[in-house]
Amino acid sequence: SQQGEEDPQALSIQEGENATMNCSYKTSINNLQWYRQNSGRGLVHLILIRSNEREKHSGRLRVTLDTSKKSSSLLITASRAADTASYFCATIQDAGGTSYGKLTFGQGTILTVHP
Amino acid sequence: DTAVSQTPKYLVTQMGNDKSIKCEQNLGHDTMYWYKQDSKKFLKIMFSYNNKELIINETVPNRFSPKSPDKAHLNLHINSLELGDSAVYFCASSARGRYYGYTFGSGTRLTVV
Repeated sequence: SQQGEEDPQALSIQEGENATMNCSYKTSINNLQWYRQNSGRGLVHLILIRSNEREKHSGRLRVTLDTSKKSSSLLITASRAADTASYFCATIQDAGGTSYGKLTFGQGTILTVHP
Repeated sequence: DTAVSQTPKYLVTQMGNDKSIKCEQNLGHDTMYWYKQDSKKFLKIMFSYNNKELIINETVPNRFSPKSPDKAHLNLHINSLELGDSAVYFCASSARGRYYGYTFGSGTRLTVV
């Protein structure tokens, strides 16, 4: 079943602006990950945030996690036309007992950055 | 030097046929996965193998059968293809453990006519 709901479903901005995408999930998680998918391509892992972390940065990406609200946000600063893609959040549940988990994806946000 | 490679990239076939998709990873990862992405871009896990052992088997028709000859390969065989099987199928791999991102292949677009 689908774990994450993403908001907005589509986002259109101008180059240089910041883009914020939100993700909500239903169950207790071990970690949350964000992926990018360019049109017709595979998914690329962007960043992973553990359940005991609240914020993480990687280059122009900033991810926050609020486990009390079961939500996360991805902020892309100073966007570029090349950032145009679909962005997915995905979670690994905190099932315990095993060393591997099942990555469950949200619906995705389609980001369009106009030059 | 592609990390996760899938073949073929495109597959067009008639209903009722049997087809296979191959996947190979050269990252030394222990765990491999098959995901299905539908026309609305929703990604759903189908199978996962850890070092050749099946560890995740979602509710997938019996017509789908994964095979892992070694930990670097995970193939997907589909029998008696149906129109509803049309989708993009992604192979992925990850290191063992929960705190690792997945590396995805570029996908196989399957069209059943």
